[in-house]
Amino acid sequence: GAGVSQSPSNKVTEKGKDVELRCDPISGHTALYWYRQSLGQGLEFLIYFQGNSAPDKSGLPSDRFSAERTGGSVSTLTIQRTQQEDSAVYLCASSLGDFSYNEQFFGPGTRLTVL
Amino acid sequence: GNSVTQMEGPVTLSEEAFLTINCTYTATGYPSLFWYVQYPGEGLQLLLKATKADDKGSNKGFEATYRKETTSFHLEKGSVQVSDSAVYFCALRDTDKLIFGTGTRLQVFP
Repeated sequence: GAGVSQSPSNKVTEKGKDVELRCDPISGHTALYWYRQSLGQGLEFLIYFQGNSAPDKSGLPSDRFSAERTGGSVSTLTIQRTQQEDSAVYLCASSLGDFSYNEQFFGPGTRLTVL
Repeated sequence: GNSVTQMEGPVTLSEEAFLTINCTYTATGYPSLFWYVQYPGEGLQLLLKATKADDKGSNKGFEATYRKETTSFHLEKGSVQVSDSAVYFCALRDTDKLIFGTGTRLQVFP
């Protein structure tokens, strides 16, 4: 079956521009997560959605970062006024529920490069 | 806060050698523990998991045992193959999110 998909796979942008990253979770998965993988910081949690609401936004690094989820499905991560330190691979994951035993399935990621 | 510490790599082994990648954690309570693997050019995949103390997770010849006495979840494989070359991440479940270690790159040579 279809896994988690993310688009674009690569994004190069200039410092100061806004970018939108998209995640399509596995159909029927109610929980959706965004993580960031960078050389300096490793794999970091950004935000978690249950349905359309985000009960945990604790990992968002600044107010330039925001995310939304509509229809309990697709999610968009928006970074405003990008900075070079935002360069990273942004990973999306989804799971059937948010119990500790529910496996999180990861997408291939979006590689963001801020020039 | 909760955290995961894993051995730094790269770990370089010959085919059929024994593998151990150390992972220790700091957490309140007894979180579920995971090993994820990232093969070259691919996304993160769950390799194995354990949800309570003394549980052993296993998959593809890899094993890890949840040891609450030593707060460890070391990954082992008796005989590695070239195809096991990848980056391995230890992680724990902290309420709704995963907290990852820094990753350990494994390189297996024929």
